[in-house]
Amino acid sequence: GAVVSQHPSRVICKSGTSVKIECRSLDFQATTMFWYRQFPKQSLMLMATSNEGSKATYEQGVEKDKFLINHASLTLSTLTVTSAHPEDSSFYICSARDQGQGLTEAFFGQGTRLTVV
Amino acid sequence: AQSVAQPEDQVNVAEGNPLTVKCTYSVSGNPYLFWYVQYPNRGLQFLLKYITGDNLVKGSYGFEAEFNKSQTSFHLKKPSALVSDSALYFCAVRDIKRGRRALTFGSGTRLQVQP
Repeated sequence: GAVVSQHPSRVICKSGTSVKIECRSLDFQATTMFWYRQFPKQSLMLMATSNEGSKATYEQGVEKDKFLINHASLTLSTLTVTSAHPEDSSFYICSARDQGQGLTEAFFGQGTRLTVV
Repeated sequence: AQSVAQPEDQVNVAEGNPLTVKCTYSVSGNPYLFWYVQYPNRGLQFLLKYITGDNLVKGSYGFEAEFNKSQTSFHLKKPSALVSDSALYFCAVRDIKRGRRALTFGSGTRLQVQP
């Protein structure tokens, strides 16, 4: 099946710094990718929809200046957590669909555990 | 708005016994329904989906799910549980009519299979 690779899998950063997370579709092109956030023992909450070549669509309550999304190519989307604070510590997961194959299921990256100290 | 409910936070079952993880959904149109499994500190792995056709869907690792339109349910089942099935399971829906491409997830159900 389609593979989505997310990097890094784990990152620890100091409060006030920025962290970039990459999401790549390895064997298909994805015009749309999705970024989710998962708190401990909770479900995945959609943060934003990343659109190749255009601005991302953010869900209500998600600060677009805080979570910068760039989708510069058909295989790469990045999420940058700017001026990170401890409350941004969470598990971030990206996903994409191989629309070229007409597949309806989304494939997920391995996730990134962000810890802000 | 579309939504998914997983009424059980945790399901405990003995190895070799059948298991069921419940899911109900709400959408305005016809649903696309999915089950995913998550192991600790990992992303989600696709198990199975219902789009149209046969109400009984078979997926990976011996799992299956039954779509019931009248009860708006999509319960996940397996005839004989394995200890290695212990994980977090998520039901998800995509609303075709609304054209929303992102999935809406249930709260998740932790499956614990005891040896």
